Amino acid sequence: EVQLVQSGAEMKKPGESLKISCKASGYSFTTSWIGWVRQMPGKGLEWLAIIYPGNSDTRYSPSFQGQVTISADSSISTAYLQWSSLKASDTAMYYCARHTHWYFDLWGRGSLVTVSS
Amino acid sequence: EIVLTQSPGTLSLSPGERATLSCRASQSVSTSYLAWYQQKPGQAPRLLIYAASSRATGIPDRFSGSGSGTDFTLTISRLEPEDFAVYYCQQYGSSPLLSFGGGTKVEIK
Repeated sequence: EVQLVQSGAEMKKPGESLKISCKASGYSFTTSWIGWVRQMPGKGLEWLAIIYPGNSDTRYSPSFQGQVTISADSSISTAYLQWSSLKASDTAMYYCARHTHWYFDLWGRGSLVTVSS
Repeated sequence: EIVLTQSPGTLSLSPGERATLSCRASQSVSTSYLAWYQQKPGQAPRLLIYAASSRATGIPDRFSGSGSGTDFTLTISRLEPEDFAVYYCQQYGSSPLLSFGGGTKVEIK
C-alpha cells in the first residue's frame, strides 16, 4: 500500500528540541520529493520545506528557512522535520506529503506538536 | 512574492446546489502549477485537482477546475453531503516556491 506514516503526537516545553518522522512505503522513496506542511490550530495550510531523498536536495519556504530542518534517510525511507529550540508558536499539526509534479499527491495523517510551559 | 487569495471565505449552500470557488493569484501562475485540495475536519488534505483542471485519481466528475493566468476556479456541480469541507488552492514555481491560498469553507446552509 502506498502510504506515509507519521510519528505520534508530541508535547514539549519551549526551548526543547524535536525531530518528527514520516515513513514512506509502497513507492520509490528516492525518486520523489517529499515535504512538510504546517497547520496551526484553526488556520490554513503553510508550506515549510521539501527534500529530494535521492540526492538530499532541499528547498525551504523563506518564512521557515533557519527555523526548521528537513532531512531524509533513504535506507529506511523516512523523512524528518526538526527544531533545535521550540517556541509556543510552533504548536500545530504537521503533515508530510509526497510532492509529485508540482503538487502534493499523497499525505500523511499528521503529527500534532504542542509546545507549552 | 506571489499571494493566492481565495474567495469567498465561507460559502453557505444546500446539498444539490452548485459551488463556485475562486483562487486569485497576485502574479500569473502556469496552469501546470495550480492545484486544489479538500480538507475535512480532523483529516489530512486530499488532492482534488492538479494542473488547474485535471482530476486526481478517484475524484468524482462533479469536481472541475478551470482558469488561467491569475484567476482559477473550482466548481462542484452538485454538492453531496460529503463535499462540505474546506478547499485550498496551491501554486508552484513562483517565490515562494510553493504556497497555499487561505481556504474557502463550504458549509451546509
